[in-house]
Amino acid sequence: GQSLEQPSEVTAVEGAIVQINCTYQTSGFYGLSWYQQHDGGAPTFLSYNALDGLEETGRFSSFLSRSDSYGYLLLQELQMKDSASYFCAVRSGGFKTIFGAGTRLFVKA
Amino acid sequence: SQTIHQWPATLVQPVGSPLSLECTVEGTSNPNLYWYRQAAGRGLQLLFYSVGIGQISSEVPQNLSASRPQDRQFILSSKKLLLSDSGFYLCAWSAGAQDGYTFGSGTRLTVV
Repeated sequence: GQSLEQPSEVTAVEGAIVQINCTYQTSGFYGLSWYQQHDGGAPTFLSYNALDGLEETGRFSSFLSRSDSYGYLLLQELQMKDSASYFCAVRSGGFKTIFGAGTRLFVKA
Repeated sequence: SQTIHQWPATLVQPVGSPLSLECTVEGTSNPNLYWYRQAAGRGLQLLFYSVGIGQISSEVPQNLSASRPQDRQFILSSKKLLLSDSGFYLCAWSAGAQDGYTFGSGTRLTVV
């Protein structure tokens, strides 16, 4: 089967750094994406990694290791507005993208 | 710029009633279009995708169907809703893998 595993919840304090991990097992792999979703809203695209290594976009960074079938999203200088659910997603082939169940991030003051 | 519109925002329908959700995209031509469903507190499940007018691929056998009557219009339908059809339905389009999906604002469907 195809699966993506990520923690269900993570809690961190404002100003801290948090890492959300994602491991995947899919029949094909073309890239790993991350999305942010606030309560009641639609997911918004954060990043895409097709090759191994770290991609940085402002306070957010995303890492991929294809040999380990593993990636993570790193959020720095956490702000209260970063409280949301974060989904990893694997483009497994063609037009198919599989989403993880999401990690709920709680940022405390 | 490209925008995606989805309506209605919320919908409460009785079991056995029909369903029609509409999604339109502006500012791009021949987009790849997708319908996803999200159960409460869960990830997104791909329902249908379309690479062109009249071309629909179904990912999960179910009570739903999709149609693409125009290049930038994608419709999700059901003839008879089930309680299990309740969820958050999201339309999306993608310009390319590196750009990710752009989602519509979603329709929260409650079947009662």
